[in-house]
Amino acid sequence: DAKTTQPNSMESNEEEPVHLPCNHSTISGTDYIHWYRQLPSQGPEYVIHGLTSNVNNRMASLAIAEDRKSSTLILHRATLRDAAVYYCILRDGAGGGADGLTFGKGTHLIIQP
Amino acid sequence: AAGVIQSPRHLIKEKRETATLKCYPIPRHDTVYWYQQGPGQDPQFLISFYEKMQSDKGSIPDRFSAQQFSDYHSELNMSSLELGDSALYFCASSAAGTSGVADTQYFGPGTRLTVL
Repeated sequence: DAKTTQPNSMESNEEEPVHLPCNHSTISGTDYIHWYRQLPSQGPEYVIHGLTSNVNNRMASLAIAEDRKSSTLILHRATLRDAAVYYCILRDGAGGGADGLTFGKGTHLIIQP
Repeated sequence: AAGVIQSPRHLIKEKRETATLKCYPIPRHDTVYWYQQGPGQDPQFLISFYEKMQSDKGSIPDRFSAQQFSDYHSELNMSSLELGDSALYFCASSAAGTSGVADTQYFGPGTRLTVL
């Protein structure tokens, strides 16, 4: 499986934008880039996913590099409730839809009030 | 909106005992996944089922088995429990079908298993 690399932790201030980077230099052409997050004492939660183009939803934006070897999850205005571990996960779009997620180390996002 | 339901939420067992965890997926979801998260660790995929058939297999110990029933709920059976099995066990569900694209997984709150 193609691997992802994320910083262990990042710190930001409340109400400021946060950019969470992810490197995936061995990504294949059929790999989708997914982001999940896990808030303290909760199960993981889907955030966003994309293939080649940048994506926006109500939670975040995903910026994908032109060569697809890196991506950035953008939280436009972080709140204290965004403090969580953020996971960047590659999923093979050519594989079965029921494949499990491979969680790496993730980025522990700390939000300061 | 209805979410994934897991029961029990907490379970305490002795070494060498058995445990059964249950998962009720979101209505109309046909795929269930099981994950294990040890203390201070990241979630690790165990096994998944699509339409009651095993679909993908991760690092599930031979002492564990799982199945998906006709109503799509799933059970994870764990035998000969060891201290190292103490962990949070998450179930997730999705409307995966055969598409790898639209398979957003929705996670339950987890079952905390403690083996003494």
